[in-house]
Amino acid sequence: QQPVQSPQAVILREGEDAVINCSSSKALYSVHWYRQKHGEAPVFLMILLKGGEQKGHEKISASFNEKKQQSSLYLTASQLSYSGTYFCGGLVLYRGGTSYGKLTFGQGTILTVHP
Amino acid sequence: DAGVTQSPTHLIKTRGQQVTLRCSPKSGHDTVSWYQQALGQGPQFIFQYYEEEERQRGNFPDRFSGHQFPNYSSELNVNALLLGDSALYLCASSWGPRGNTEAFFGQGTRLTVV
Repeated sequence: QQPVQSPQAVILREGEDAVINCSSSKALYSVHWYRQKHGEAPVFLMILLKGGEQKGHEKISASFNEKKQQSSLYLTASQLSYSGTYFCGGLVLYRGGTSYGKLTFGQGTILTVHP
Repeated sequence: DAGVTQSPTHLIKTRGQQVTLRCSPKSGHDTVSWYQQALGQGPQFIFQYYEEEERQRGNFPDRFSGHQFPNYSSELNVNALLLGDSALYLCASSWGPRGNTEAFFGQGTRLTVV
């Protein structure tokens, strides 16, 4: 069962902020965030390995609430280059260990940044 | 340092034929995973190879098979192609199979079945 992302689409002006959410019905070992531009490969943004962990890179950061099995991606002061489709990938935690890299991706959130 | 490379970039096949896609992982990576991405959808996990063995498999029929070579490169084979197999096939490499390290994707192979 794939993670559910919200919203499905976001339209921003340059400099505005956005939050993309990712929710799983199953316990996750890790959450991975990617951005994919049209016709290109998904580009790795960050990985969150344990509950409550927050990671950041410049103006893009993320958090993982293990209790709720929810992750959020925060984009601040958006730039034109942030446009693309954002995917969260969840690694399900199975009894006895992890699921050996079987990432299950959400349906994606389309982010459009206008000048 | 070359990233993940896939070949070919585009392919057109006829229904019922067989196809082989290739992937060379990023330097230093030993694990390769394959994904199928339909238009407007997220990547769907096909399988993962580590130490030349299939370690994990998604919900794909046996028509989808793979192989990993001693140099960590990998192939994806699809037999008896169906129209519904038309998609972007992505390869991702990582260090270790446990999903606790970042995975890097190749640019993909666009397969069209006619």
